[in-house]
Formats: sequence, structure tokens, C-alpha cells
Amino acid sequence: GESVGLHLPTLSVQEGDNSIINCAYSNSASDYFIWYKQESGKGPQFIIDIRSNMDKRQGQRVTVLLNKTVKHLSLQIAATQPGDSAVYFCAEIPNQAGTALIFGKGTTLSVSS
Amino acid sequence: DGGITQSPKYLFRKEGQNVTLSCEQNLNHDAMYWYRQDPGQGLRLIYYSQIVNDFQKGDIAEGYSVSREKKESFPLTVTSAQKNPTAFYLCATTTGGYTGELFFGEGSRLTVL
Repeated sequence: GESVGLHLPTLSVQEGDNSIINCAYSNSASDYFIWYKQESGKGPQFIIDIRSNMDKRQGQRVTVLLNKTVKHLSLQIAATQPGDSAVYFCAEIPNQAGTALIFGKGTTLSVSS
Repeated sequence: DGGITQSPKYLFRKEGQNVTLSCEQNLNHDAMYWYRQDPGQGLRLIYYSQIVNDFQKGDIAEGYSVSREKKESFPLTVTSAQKNPTAFYLCATTTGGYTGELFFGEGSRLTVL
């Protein structure tokens, strides 16, 4: 079945390090992917997205990489800050009109000073 | 300010009672969604609506009901038939059609005593 998963449920880094959060997806027909950040007790917030015709997209301090060959998605956060501590979700949308996003289980990023 | 308002933020109910969670948006978005989030889990889709007076079941619709009488409003009723209703409920919207970025409310935490 369709599923989106993350390799690790938790990731702990030191402030200033680069963080890499990974996600594997199973539906080869998915052509749009989004990373969300969720702080405790709040709704998820959009970070960055990528379409399947791209393999890399950069934002402010964040980069998303897409490897369609192995159906793998990653989020890289440069110079991680304590404010980056949150749960990060990847989400995919299959190439079907009107289909809702499918979310992975999330990776909890903890940044220590 | 444009946004999504969920209420109440915290809700307690006794077993066997129905409860309705409110979701209101002034973003003029066509599509609205309800997700459920359990600790350490991703977001699971309950119901979604792409247009007024129409809605579809998501992956875990049993024990829930919705209505979409107005574009701005998409209330979710958690019925007594829902066996494990304690969870964090998130409402989201998008512009509709081929769904892309979801905009989330701040969530409602329901606890069944």
C-alpha cells in the first residue's frame, strides 16, 4: 500500500551542526512532496516542497533532496539552531486529482546548546 | 488576519458523549481537511471536503461525521462510536484542485475521561 515513512524517529544534534532528516516513500506515482515542521502543541507549518521533476531545492537554511530511483527524500538543515527543535514530517501526494497528502510518522529533532 | 481557527483548543468529554470540534477559515480556500494525530504518530486523514455540500471519507472515518454547509466552516463531530477518541485533531485547508501545501490550524486536543 501507499506509505510514507521516516528512517529515524529521533535525531539529536548540537547547535551549529548540520541536520539531515530522511524519509522513504513507497508510491512511485507520487510527484509532489512537502516537508512540515511541527512545534509542540501547534499545527504543522510548511517548510519546503519539491516536485518529482526536480532532484534538489533550496530554501533559507534548508535543502530538500529527492532521489526517485530509491524513492528517498531528505531534509537538510544548515547550522541547526535550538529553535529548529520540533517534529518534522514528510508528506507525499500521489498523482491523482483530489488526493489528499499522505504523511509519514515524523522525526523529532532535538538541538542542544 | 487570514487564517484557520480551531476551537476549542482543549476539550474534555465523558465516554458516550458526542462532541463537535469547530474549524473556521477566512482564506477563501475551497478544500478543507480533518486529521487526527496520536503521540509519536503521523497525521491520519479523517475526512476532507473539496467543495461546499460535498465531502469524502479519509483513512479513519469510522466514528466521525462532518458537514460542509458553508465554504468557511468544516465542523467535525466525534461520536460515541469512536472507540479511542483521545487525540490531537488538526484542521487544514488548501486552495483545492490538485492539492498542494496545506495550511493548518492550531489544533484541538480532545481527552475522554
